[in-house]
Amino acid sequence: NAGVTQTPKFRILKIGQSMTLQCTQDMNHNYMYWYRQDPGMGLKLIYYSVGAGITDKGEVPNGYNVSRSTTEDFPLRLELAAPSQTSVYFCASSATGGLINEQFFGPGTRLTVL
Amino acid sequence: GENVEQHPSTLSVQEGDSAVIKCTYSDSASNYFPWYKQELGKGPQLIIDIRSNVGEKKDQRIAVTLNKTAKHFSLHITETQPEDSAVYFCAASKGGKLIFGQGTELSVKP
Repeated sequence: NAGVTQTPKFRILKIGQSMTLQCTQDMNHNYMYWYRQDPGMGLKLIYYSVGAGITDKGEVPNGYNVSRSTTEDFPLRLELAAPSQTSVYFCASSATGGLINEQFFGPGTRLTVL
Repeated sequence: GENVEQHPSTLSVQEGDSAVIKCTYSDSASNYFPWYKQELGKGPQLIIDIRSNVGEKKDQRIAVTLNKTAKHFSLHITETQPEDSAVYFCAASKGGKLIFGQGTELSVKP
């Protein structure tokens, strides 16, 4: 199992550009999540999905969009990139969304918006 | 909503000493408290967790304690080793969504 994979590893965007961060998991997990990690701020939930076709907002969804057409893939779309979106982005998945909810994280995408 | 505070933000110990990281949470309905370890350039990885109906849990050199009345929980690492150097995050969960603390950078000096 590769677990959770993310591409790209690094990206530099100009203000106003758009891009999609890719996330794929091969563990047949129903739940998937996108977080951003800013220095000294922990991880903040952007969007999550409880299954194919179902997505919902987390703590900090503004400026982002997601889709979940398959169990395996959960891409994160940035429209009109802004410097405030400079961050490290982590995708995660879990088998359930219930009480015991071990989340498995990908290696992250480091995004800089200039 | 839930808020999780974590202290200290940095912690330096000598190899073989113990390390303690503390977290407080605000929502008394939170019922699951995991701890994640993040090594440089990698995503966080679960190292131990505790449910709200348990006061303490141990796994070899690591242990977690929970005080529901005071709404705080702690991570204890004994006999620290250089490979324990990493950033540690606590989290609180209600209904499956995790709210993370700010992280503690632990440095274990040989």
